[in-house]
Amino acid sequence: GDSVTQKEGLVTLTEGLPVMLNCTYQTIYSNAFLFWYVHYLNESPRLLLKSSTDNKRTEHQGFHATLHKSSSSFHLQKSSAQLSDSALYYCALSPNYGNEKITFGAGTKLTIKP
Amino acid sequence: EAAVTQSPRNKVTVTGGNVTLSCRQTNSHNYMYWYRQDTGHGLRLIHYSYGAGNLQIGDVPDGYKATRTTQEDFFLLLELASPSQTSLYFCASSDGLGVSYEQYFGPGTRLTVL
Repeated sequence: GDSVTQKEGLVTLTEGLPVMLNCTYQTIYSNAFLFWYVHYLNESPRLLLKSSTDNKRTEHQGFHATLHKSSSSFHLQKSSAQLSDSALYYCALSPNYGNEKITFGAGTKLTIKP
Repeated sequence: EAAVTQSPRNKVTVTGGNVTLSCRQTNSHNYMYWYRQDTGHGLRLIHYSYGAGNLQIGDVPDGYKATRTTQEDFFLLLELASPSQTSLYFCASSDGLGVSYEQYFGPGTRLTVL
């Protein structure tokens, strides 16, 4: 079945440094959608960005990610971390064959320190 | 703006107890989902539905029943609660039209089974 791997469970960075959260996935479906969801403390998870286009950079709220089907990766990046970026980040996959099921990774907790 | 509400927001019960978690969405979405969120496991899909009367099995269904009574309402039932079901439960909805795939999450229900 489909799977999403986020190797880093916890990432701690100093404000101003670049952010990179890793995401790799497995699916047999070539038209899969990949997502990043962000979950701030005491809020609901919400969509940060999504893509189904190979090698196209997707950007939102200062974050960006590029889907690379050749390496089955969809890493999340930001050039300069802010304190407000501290949150739980989920990579997720939908196989896009019509059953509307999304598989989430285990999540990466990002903590930004002054 | 998508609207998903959950009740109760917090629930404490004892082992063997009977619990019903409620979810309502006012987005006219076809798809609704129940997830549990646990540290180290991320968001795991329990059950989902694509319309009133429909139920699809998720990835961690054991010990849970669900029922979709209307397009708006989706219930999660724990008939013999166990401490392993202590978790944060999220409901979500999506339009499932093959274009967006974005899921809109409710505020969560924190369940403690003693």
